[in-house]
Amino acid sequence: QVQLQESGPGLVKPSETLSLTCTVSGGSISGYYWSWIRQPPGMGLEWIGYIHYSGNTNYNSSLKSRVTISVDTSKNQLSLRLSSVTAADTAVYYCARDLGSGGGFDPWGQGTLVTVSS
Amino acid sequence: QTVVTQEPSFSVSPGGTVTLTCGLSSGSVSTSYYPSWFQQTPGQAPRTLIYSTNIRSSGVPDRFSGSILGNKAALTISGAQADDESDYYCVLYTSSYSRLLGGGTKLTVL
Repeated sequence: QVQLQESGPGLVKPSETLSLTCTVSGGSISGYYWSWIRQPPGMGLEWIGYIHYSGNTNYNSSLKSRVTISVDTSKNQLSLRLSSVTAADTAVYYCARDLGSGGGFDPWGQGTLVTVSS
Repeated sequence: QTVVTQEPSFSVSPGGTVTLTCGLSSGSVSTSYYPSWFQQTPGQAPRTLIYSTNIRSSGVPDRFSGSILGNKAALTISGAQADDESDYYCVLYTSSYSRLLGGGTKLTVL
């Protein structure tokens, strides 16, 4: 079965760039859309954006100017970069296979906490 | 900016039935938004329960059902069990292929 694992620095300084990787195992990244979703402590979930294995992307308009999602099919990985971070970007970041209207988000990774602090 | 609205919290008695809703700050939710519902239990990865309004994901018990009620999407849990105590989120799919997530409903079973 497909499993996802997020990885990256747990602490990022304000104004710097947050970088995370999601490794897909048990299946191929090809043929699907993949989303990043985040959850600030004690708050609800926010969709960040998705990428198709072909490289086509769609971002949340509120984050679009700072977000880049990329894919490396040879490594079965997708990546997230969020620039100019502030404390408001502190959150658990999840990656998930995005089946859209045909299945929702399934499966999800376990998530990784990223704290923005000096 | 359009906001997806959900009840912040809800409680249900064991064995009871509860309906959670998902609306829009402006406009109505219809099947054209292909509403999806997922469950988040503390310490666990979220899992999708319902997609495309009323289709259950694999392995989801038929106690969970989705529908459109009036101008909102709805998730109904029948015969509530203790391990249904979780946060429930809805997702709407827009015509521009964006995903709108609701703020979530914290369900207590007591």
